Amino acid sequence: ETGVTQTPRHLVMGMTNKKSLKCEQHLGHNAMYWYKQSAKKPLELMFVYNFKEQTENNSVPSRFSPECPNSSHLFLHLHTLQPEDSALYLCASSPGIEIREFFGPGTRLTVL
Amino acid sequence: GDSVTQMEGPVTLSEEAFLTINCTYTATGYPSLFWYVQYPGEGLQLLLKATKADDKGSNKGFEATYRKETTSFHLEKGSVQVSDSAVYFCALGESHGGATNKLIFGTGTLLAVQP
Repeated sequence: ETGVTQTPRHLVMGMTNKKSLKCEQHLGHNAMYWYKQSAKKPLELMFVYNFKEQTENNSVPSRFSPECPNSSHLFLHLHTLQPEDSALYLCASSPGIEIREFFGPGTRLTVL
Repeated sequence: GDSVTQMEGPVTLSEEAFLTINCTYTATGYPSLFWYVQYPGEGLQLLLKATKADDKGSNKGFEATYRKETTSFHLEKGSVQVSDSAVYFCALGESHGGATNKLIFGTGTLLAVQP
């Protein structure tokens, strides 16, 4: 248990659906991250939030829309995804003063 | 830009064998180096880290030494167990003077330990 939780753990959706992934941490961390993990590829950093402000967007398609309402919660809204978006989506948080990240268990997303 | 290269897997070993997973990096500054482990069905967990040259990180019998001269951070364990079967990720991270820190990960190496 790292203190970072993600829901749902598994999600199957059609290409026309709209769904959201949720991440929550009560570690008092300032920074939160979304990563995409695909087979045989490095973890892809998607978005970074620091004190609720987005500080990084690594050229992620607009069908992925992040939201950070407060320092403890991070959402990833999904809309008209493609089958190649199927992957494990990992959330992480960081205290900021120390270089390390605490990861959640991930959401396994399958797009049909 | 900064990058991490680690050996491709899978690495298959018998229980009690010696493990080495190679990791090299490219960085413009003085990064911290990490090994994360991902057990089946779980997220990544920090295994060990080193913050400066010649530091040795160690945890659960695993160790890695930050070698600036060879830009390497190889992971080793003297005697692996079946429970060590997982994917291991090498990563580097740099501080950006108070801005959000971020990690750059390698592709991961799958370790399978057989009884």
